Formats: sequence, C-alpha cells, structure tokens
Amino acid sequence: DVKVTQSSRYLVKRTGEKVFLECVQDMDHENMFWYRQDPGLGLRLIYFSYDVKMKEKGDIPEGYSVSREKKERFSLILESASTNQTSMYLCASSWEETQYFGPGTRLLVL
Amino acid sequence: AQKITQTQPGMFVQEKEAVTLDCTYDTSDPSYGLFWYKQPSSGEMIFLIYQGSYDQQNATEGRYSLNFQKARKSANLVISASQLGDSAMYFCALGPYGNNRLAFGKGNQVVVIP
Repeated sequence: DVKVTQSSRYLVKRTGEKVFLECVQDMDHENMFWYRQDPGLGLRLIYFSYDVKMKEKGDIPEGYSVSREKKERFSLILESASTNQTSMYLCASSWEETQYFGPGTRLLVL
Repeated sequence: AQKITQTQPGMFVQEKEAVTLDCTYDTSDPSYGLFWYKQPSSGEMIFLIYQGSYDQQNATEGRYSLNFQKARKSANLVISASQLGDSAMYFCALGPYGNNRLAFGKGNQVVVIP
C-alpha cells in the first residue's frame, strides 16, 4: 500500500510566521506534489518535484517555496504566512500516472 | 490547456442504488489519462480508478466503473450498490501521458441515505 504522510492534520499560525509543511512517502516515488484546496476553486498545484533537489512551479507558486533534499520528503514553506494562505494543503506522490495523496493539513493563519 | 467540467449539483442517493457522476473534459493532448478520486469529510483524497485514452475497454475497479466515451470527451464514474461510506466529494482529473500535472474538476457531492 502506498503511504503518504503529512506532518500535521491541523495547524494554526500567525501572520508573518514562517511555516513548514512536511510530506513523506514510503514508496520510492520520483514525483511529489503540493496542492492547496479552497471551496469553489478546487485543487490548485503549487509546486512539484520530479527528483531530489529538483522543483518546478505549478499554477500558484507565489508566496511559497519548496525543498526536496531526500527522495521521500517534500517540504512546503510559507516564508511569511498571510491570512489568504489559510487553506487545506494536500501532498501527493506518484511513480507513473497515478497520484496518491496524504491526509491533508488544514492551515489557519490568524 | 486542459479543462475538466463537473457541473452536477449535490446528489442524494438511496443506499444500494447505483449513481452516475458526470465528467466532461477538454484537452489538446493526443494521449492522456483520466482519474477519479474520492474525498470524504476527513479530507484525504483517495484514488478510485484510472482510464487511459487508448484503452479499448472501460476501466472497472470493484464497485466503480468508468464510462469512457472518447468522442464525446466524457468520463463518467458509476458507483454500483451505493453504501453509506460512499458519501463524499468525488473529483475527476485529467493528465497527459508522461506528465504528472493533473487538472481537477470542482467535484460532485454525493450523500448516500439509508
């Protein structure tokens, strides 16, 4: 079974804080992804990575950065959290076509 | 550019009945894959079923089947014998072969009633 885990299910942060969201997969997948999900907007791709130390911007990268130092771990970083980054964040990994998702992190920025 | 359209309003389904969720898509890629995911209230996106654009047969996975009509650019999900645990949001997604960037639809809400 594919397992993708995310460091927190719920997170509350203050405006201006630096926020780290961690994602770990145990299937040796090459590809990893970060999405945010908002009501009425669906899932939007923030960043993805095809290999260690490799990253590509998705559709909405502004205000975010990522890090992939090891194959199994893909981190999403909010350099200075803002209230409009309150959202559900979903991590996924894939080897071929199918993406497998983690449980999600509900982030509230006050 | 790829686009997925899911326009059905929220649906109530009687337990043990079948339900069909509509998905239409638009893409200029010659080969692509179509996916359905389930998202219960807990938030996790659960992969259900995959259909490749060159697959001759419609995909099936247990109680899930995909009614793929390439000429009409539709990929409807059929859930047979609905169960209470099927209550969730269902998302259709599209991605070109060899490229993992998926485009997701806005989702269909299904509530199964006893």
